[in-house]
Parts: sequence; structure tokens; C-alpha cells
Amino acid sequence: GAVVSQHPSRVICKSGTSVKIECRSLDFQATTMFWYRQFPKKSLMLMATSNEGSKATYEQGVEKDKFLINHASLTLSTLTVTSAHPEDSSFYICSAVSGHEQYFGPGTRLTVT
Amino acid sequence: GQQLNQSPQSMFIQEGEDVSMNCTSSSIFNTWLWYKQDPGEGPVLLIALYKAGELTSNGRLTAQFGITRKDSFLNISASIPSDVGIYFCAGLSGYALNFGKGTSLLVTP
Repeated sequence: GAVVSQHPSRVICKSGTSVKIECRSLDFQATTMFWYRQFPKKSLMLMATSNEGSKATYEQGVEKDKFLINHASLTLSTLTVTSAHPEDSSFYICSAVSGHEQYFGPGTRLTVT
Repeated sequence: GQQLNQSPQSMFIQEGEDVSMNCTSSSIFNTWLWYKQDPGEGPVLLIALYKAGELTSNGRLTAQFGITRKDSFLNISASIPSDVGIYFCAGLSGYALNFGKGTSLLVTP
């Protein structure tokens, strides 16, 4: 199957700082990537759809100014959590579309202290 | 997105037993996907189903796309300890995935 990587796998930051998470499709090109958030023992919650060369589409209730998404190339999308707060602590997972299937990255554990 | 109804919520079984879990939806999907997620990892695609009635196997895993396109099931035969994890069904609507709440599987030796 297709391979998607995320970096970093874990990050701890102080409240008020910004954190950037990268999502890369390693062996295929992805015009569409997705960003999800997952709370402990819960299912994945779609945050936004990242489209290469255009603005991201955000799900209802997700602040676009807080979660900045940039999909500058066919293999890279970035999610920047701006002015992070402890309630932003979560597991963030990206996915990339290849054909009719979605492949997920390994996730990034964000802890805001 | 729409939440799918996935059951059971959790299962505790002995090694060697077969497992069955299913997902239902009030909406029709053109693609059903089954994923497995280990703790601290992203979901890994197990099986993808594209046609109503389709029955697909991947090793000890078998999944079916319901005739009505509103449901799917996943069977695991002869379970082993490494089958432990959370299994998610997902229905594909356009490019957006709609997830079930997951089935947590625990396999005891």
C-alpha cells in the first residue's frame, strides 16, 4: 500500500507557541490530503480537507485561523497549530488519497503544557 | 460527517476464535473501508470494498459490502494475539471518510 509519513511523531510545546506538523506522501502524489484529530478511545474526527494549490476546506467548528493548513506540493501538507493551548493537546493524523483509497500517516502526539 | 453505527464496541476473545464486527449507516456509500489502529499509531488499511455484494479476503480477514450499500461486516478467523487493536469501518462519500466509533479487540492467549 501507499506510504504516508508524519513529522514529528511527538511534540511538547508551551502554551501560546505555534507548532507545525508535516504530512508527506512518500511514494505517490496526493492532490487531496485530510487532517484528523483523535481523542483517547474515540474515533477520528475530520478537521479539514487540504487541497494542493488551493485553500483548505474546514469542517464546522474548526477554526481556520487556529489550524493553518498549507498544501504547497503534491506530496506535502502542513498543519500549524497557532497559539496552542492545553485543550489543543491531542493525536493529529493526516491521510492522503491514492485512487479510491485513503492511507493514513502514523500520527503526531501534541502535548501543550 | 455522518457517524456510522459500528458494533460491537469491544470484544474479549480467546486466541483461535473467530471474530465478527459490523457497520451500518442510514446513507448509501460507494466504498467501504476497514482499518486497524494500534495504540499511538495511525490507522492501517485492511480491506477496501467497491461493489455492493462484494466479498473480499485478506489473509484471515474477510469483509463484505452489503447489498443495500448501507452496511458492511468484517470477519477475522482464527484470531492471534497480534490482532489486538481497534478496528474502524469507514464509508467513503466523495473523498471524505465517515468513520464508525471503532471495535476494540482484545485477544487472550
